[in-house]
Amino acid sequence: AQSVAQPEDQVNVAEGNPLTVKCTYSVSGNPYLFWYVQYPNRGLQFLLKYITGDNLVKGSYGFEAEFNKSQTSFHLKKPSALVSDSALYFCAVRALSWGKFQFGAGTQVVVTP
Amino acid sequence: GAGVSQSPSNKVTEKGKDVELRCDPISGHTALYWYRQSLGQGLEFLIYFQGNSAPDKSGLPSDRFSAERTGGSVSTLTIQRTQQEDSAVYLCASSLEVLETQYFGPGTRLLVL
Repeated sequence: AQSVAQPEDQVNVAEGNPLTVKCTYSVSGNPYLFWYVQYPNRGLQFLLKYITGDNLVKGSYGFEAEFNKSQTSFHLKKPSALVSDSALYFCAVRALSWGKFQFGAGTQVVVTP
Repeated sequence: GAGVSQSPSNKVTEKGKDVELRCDPISGHTALYWYRQSLGQGLEFLIYFQGNSAPDKSGLPSDRFSAERTGGSVSTLTIQRTQQEDSAVYLCASSLEVLETQYFGPGTRLLVL
């Protein structure tokens, strides 16, 4: 079985401050890890993924995520948040041998001017 | 190239009616996924297709739900005898292969009165 947890329903941050959205996972074997963002009334947009290699993954819109195997975490980060980053963020995990994605419940990010 | 498209974008129906939701995946993508996103909820996996293999239907919530994929391309999700609890946004995604990044369509917003 596989699972993913996003412990925060909402993250509030002031524009210009660092943004972190937390994600932890459980999977048998090597994980494939993904972050998606959903803007209001829109579908999900791919941000970044970790398959193998460097633990720090860089993605779209200045986001990055760090894979930590010992802590089974894949936190999303952005050094300086923008108001336009306000959206719903989903972490997803998939085992190498299993096609289905398991999505977290989502974290609402609110960036205030 | 064109992304994943879904139709209709919005559907209002009466309880007990059948509805069909359509998904056109990205050309050349062999894997296709259906998810449901209820208000304030995360993504619930419904079904996925991979090439000519039998679909993984393990996420379908009841036998009122079915899906097919014709010619390895377009997919239709059918909900029979709709209930009010079926109201949600239905998202379709496709990927080049089953282990690749999923790209999502804009969704169909279904409202059952």
